[in-house]
Amino acid sequence: QTVVTQEPSFSVSPGGTVTLTCGLSSGSVSTDYYPSWYQQTPGQAPRTLIYRTNTRSSGVPHRFSGSILGNKAALTITGAQADDESDYYCMLYMGGGFSVFGGGTKLTVL
Amino acid sequence: QVQLQESGPGLVKPSETLSLTCTVSGYSITGGYYWGWIRQPPGRGLEWIGSIYHSGSTNYSPSLRSRVTISVDTSKNRFSLKLSSVTAADTAVYYCARAPDYGDYVWGQGRLVTVSS
Repeated sequence: QTVVTQEPSFSVSPGGTVTLTCGLSSGSVSTDYYPSWYQQTPGQAPRTLIYRTNTRSSGVPHRFSGSILGNKAALTITGAQADDESDYYCMLYMGGGFSVFGGGTKLTVL
Repeated sequence: QVQLQESGPGLVKPSETLSLTCTVSGYSITGGYYWGWIRQPPGRGLEWIGSIYHSGSTNYSPSLRSRVTISVDTSKNRFSLKLSSVTAADTAVYYCARAPDYGDYVWGQGRLVTVSS
C-alpha cells in the first residue's frame, strides 16, 4: 500500500521562507500525480491552496507556491505570516480516480 | 459561486449504516466535475473516501471499498454517502467536495458523525 509522506511538524520565523514536502513511501512524485496542497486551521474545513503541482487556487496569495523538488512535491511559503500557522496536507492522484492524502504537517510561525 | 452543505444524522450506532447527503448550490452537479467525500477523525489527518461523476461512475478508496456506496441525484443537485457496518473508528468529520482529479477542491463545511451506542 502506497503511503504519502509529509514532515509531521515544521517551524518558521515571521517573514521567513519554509518549504514543506510531499513524498511517496515507494517511488518519486511527478507532475503525473497532480500534487495538491490544502491548508486547515483548527475547527475549519480545509482550503485549497495549490493544485496540479503549481497552480494557485482562486484567491490564494502569491506567497504560496508549489513545485517538484527532487523526488517530492513541495509547498513553499515565502514571507510567512502569523496566520499561516496551520496544518498543511498534500494529496496525490494515484490514477483510476483514486487519491491519497499525506499525514499532514503542522506549521508553527514563531 | 458553488457551495456545498453536508446533512445527516450526527450519531450512528455501531454496526449500522452511516448516511450523509451533500447538497450543491450555485453550480449544476452535471457540470462536468467529480464530487467526493473526505473524512477526518478527531485530531487526525484527512482520508479520501471516494468520488462520483454525474453519470454515476464511482471511485472508492481501496481500504473502504467494501463498505462504501456513493450515489448521485441530479434532479435534486445532490450526492450521498453510505458507509455500512460502522465502528467507533468511523467517528469523524465528513466533508463533501467538488473533487476534480487534479485537486482544485471546493469544500463543504463538514459534518461530525459520532459512532456510539
